[in-house]
Amino acid sequence: TQLLEQSPQFLSIQEGENLTVYCNSSSVFSSLQWYRQEPGEGPVLLVTVVTGGEVKKLKRLTFQFGDARKDSSLHITAAQPGDTGLYLCAGAGNAGNMLTFGGGTRLMVKP
Amino acid sequence: DAGITQSPRHKVTETGTPVTLRCHQTENHRYMYWYRQDPGHGLRLIHYSYGVKDTDKGEVSDGYSVSRSKTEDFLLTLESATSSQTSVYFCATMRGSDTQYFGPGTRLTVL
Repeated sequence: TQLLEQSPQFLSIQEGENLTVYCNSSSVFSSLQWYRQEPGEGPVLLVTVVTGGEVKKLKRLTFQFGDARKDSSLHITAAQPGDTGLYLCAGAGNAGNMLTFGGGTRLMVKP
Repeated sequence: DAGITQSPRHKVTETGTPVTLRCHQTENHRYMYWYRQDPGHGLRLIHYSYGVKDTDKGEVSDGYSVSRSKTEDFLLTLESATSSQTSVYFCATMRGSDTQYFGPGTRLTVL
């Protein structure tokens, strides 16, 4: 069974601060995805990283896939209240059609 | 957005009663999934389908059954609901590989 551990579970910061969320596993994944979920809604895909060492940027969000494809991080620069939500990482197995989700990081950005 | 709807959106039922949740998609995606989301556990896979009448068990399938008689519909049934099945249930679909699209969720309370 592949497991993904996210840290921290909760994060409360002030607007303008930077933060990093981590997603770690002992298993290798063919790709890793980050989702964002708002209250009362389903998760929405932010990014998919595929290659070991890959870095992707989405405005103020920077995603990195570890060289060994076992871990990933999400860094947010100058967080804004609109970034508030639950961030989930998910690893895809070799077949690509099954995802293993981490437990999530609940982020609150205070104005 | 894969045009996914879930019904009902909220349901309160009593222990021992049968419950069926419906997921409907309009994008003709091959794969469909049922997850449950609980605090501290992220998203856990209950059952999934890789085609009409083709289904398989996920991580937490005990007490649940599914059916897929048409590409667009995936039903999740709790034969005899228990309080431990109180949760938020999400349906997801996938066209090819990796990217899953989620429905808005069904909040189920079993008293």
